[in-house]
Amino acid sequence: EVQLQQSGAEVRKAGESLKISCKGSGYTFSSQWIAWVRQMPGKGLEWMGIIYPGDSDTSYSPSFQGQVSISADKSFSIAYLQWSSLKASDTAMYYCARREGFCTNARCYAYFDLWGQGTLVTVSS
Amino acid sequence: QSALIQPASVSGSPGQSITISCTGASIDVETNNRVSWYQQHPDKAPKLIIYEDSKRPSGVSSRFSGSKSGNTASLTISGLQAEDEADYYCCSYVTNNVWVFGGGTKLTV
Repeated sequence: EVQLQQSGAEVRKAGESLKISCKGSGYTFSSQWIAWVRQMPGKGLEWMGIIYPGDSDTSYSPSFQGQVSISADKSFSIAYLQWSSLKASDTAMYYCARREGFCTNARCYAYFDLWGQGTLVTVSS
Repeated sequence: QSALIQPASVSGSPGQSITISCTGASIDVETNNRVSWYQQHPDKAPKLIIYEDSKRPSGVSSRFSGSKSGNTASLTISGLQAEDEADYYCCSYVTNNVWVFGGGTKLTV
């Protein structure tokens, strides 16, 4: 079965570090981009960043640049989202999603066709 | 960062049709970027329902359709059913391998 399986819910204190994961199965993980999406309580989806597991090429939304770190281990088909110092405002559900389609310099026909179940991160102050 | 603007909420009665709009510079026809749409039920992960402006993934009801004109994309749901009550998000590529979601629209049936 093609799926993205995310790690379980986490509870941390402000200032602590955290790394959550997203494991792909049923397809060639290294060949498709994986994005991370935040959803704060009662709010909408926010696109955070994306990684190509094959070579770890990574891009971040300006809103999240410097706030989080995205990495991947293609040998284990896992993508990671990491914080070095959590804030209470990082409390949210985090989803990973696989990018399908293609982009060139001239056009982008990509979309997110496969989603993980989400990881709830709760940070207390 | 380019924004995608959606109405906060729409409503309709069972059997009716509704349309949700999504407006932004990143989806203007001149950019050649395509729009995707996602449905999210409470406490569930988002689900792709429309890609490349108007295509439906396998398994998605034909009651869902998408279109785009100028810098506005639209999602139409016909023959509304109670199960369609959910949040809906549009999404497009912006630049430099960065994407953006619309603010989301809550559909009440």
